[in-house]
Amino acid sequence: DVKVTQSSRYLVKRTGEKVFLECVQDMDHENMFWYRQDPGLGLRLIYFSYDVKMKEKGDIPEGYSVSREKKERFSLILESASTNQTSMYLCASSRLGSTDTQYFGPGTRLTVL
Amino acid sequence: GIQVEQSPPDLILQEGANSTLRCNFSDSVNNLQWFHQNPWGQLINLFYIPSGTKQNGRLSATTVATERYSLLYISSSQTTDSGVYFCAVITGKLIFGQGTTLQVKP
Repeated sequence: DVKVTQSSRYLVKRTGEKVFLECVQDMDHENMFWYRQDPGLGLRLIYFSYDVKMKEKGDIPEGYSVSREKKERFSLILESASTNQTSMYLCASSRLGSTDTQYFGPGTRLTVL
Repeated sequence: GIQVEQSPPDLILQEGANSTLRCNFSDSVNNLQWFHQNPWGQLINLFYIPSGTKQNGRLSATTVATERYSLLYISSSQTTDSGVYFCAVITGKLIFGQGTTLQVKP
């Protein structure tokens, strides 16, 4: 079975802090994704990556950056956290091929005070 | 861009009842997934179904790509089926519907 893990289930940070959310997958997937989920807005794509050291902006990249130094790990970075970044963050991975099944991690509930 | 609409938005069932959830999409898609989001927020893959019908236990799904819809059937519902059901179309990235919130009462 595919396993996608995220570093924290719950995280509380202060406004202005630099925040790192980590995602690791164990199935040698090429593609990795970061989404955020908010009530009434559904799931929205922040960034994705099709290969190591490669990144592409999704629908809402503002205020975020990403890092993919190794194939299995995809990090989401909030350079200076703000209260409007309080959300549920979900990581996913899939095999090479733009239409393949995506597998999701358990999510990180981030609260920015 | 492609629009994905799910219905109904909310559904309350008595345990043991059957239900059908619908997903309409506005344009041709390469593929479609159904997910169940449990109360802890985890998105669990149910089906990857570009066309045709698949079954997994009490759940089954049918996608009619030419008519741009997919259906998820839940039979003999259980309280553990509660949560939010999402369909998502795959066009290089996932585009999610707004979800159907299901509550199964004992």
